[in-house]
Amino acid sequence: DAKTTQPNSMESNEEEPVHLPCNHSTISGTDYIHWYRQLPSQGPEYVIHGLTSNVNNRMASLAIAEDRKSSTLILHRATLRDAAVYYCILIDGGGADGLTFGKGTHLIIQP
Amino acid sequence: GAVVSQHPSRVICKSGTSVKIECRSLDFQATTMFWYRQFPKQSLMLMATSNEGSKATYEQGVEKDKFLINHASLTLSTLTVTSAHPEDSSFYICSARDWGSQGRNSPLHFGNGTRLTVT
Repeated sequence: DAKTTQPNSMESNEEEPVHLPCNHSTISGTDYIHWYRQLPSQGPEYVIHGLTSNVNNRMASLAIAEDRKSSTLILHRATLRDAAVYYCILIDGGGADGLTFGKGTHLIIQP
Repeated sequence: GAVVSQHPSRVICKSGTSVKIECRSLDFQATTMFWYRQFPKQSLMLMATSNEGSKATYEQGVEKDKFLINHASLTLSTLTVTSAHPEDSSFYICSARDWGSQGRNSPLHFGNGTRLTVT
């Protein structure tokens, strides 16, 4: 799988939007961009995924650069429950294999 | 939504004993399940892919005789840590994909993990 680069940690205030960046300059044309998050002492949970167009769901939005070499996960109004490690993962053609997790971004939410 | 249940959530065992961890897909069938291990302050590492009705596929460096995987039905995979030692203490997490939801782009659903402590 192509590699992704994320900041080690980010801090935001409660009820403010959060933009989590991910660089994937070696992304291939068939790679999908997936985001997962892991709350403390829990298994990861799926957040969102996309290929080329921006995507929205009830949890977040995903903004994908036109050249697809970077993407941003957007939490529109962060709450304390959004404090977690966020992983940006590329999966070729959807992927049938297990995911390869990088170090992710540790998001800290200040009340 | 699809749920993956993992049991037990926490186990303490003595060195030299074996521990079995169960992973169930509650409302979908999973021909493939994945087992991960996570050490404190580190990311998840894929250990093996569990295949229903056939042998598991292990990642490089993972001992298949130590981490026995059985995937006897479409909703149950088990991981047995044999002859556990303190260095096997870790957070073990299973996952499965509900192929019916979005085909090959279906997200992975994860269990809540099992905290294993070997004394």
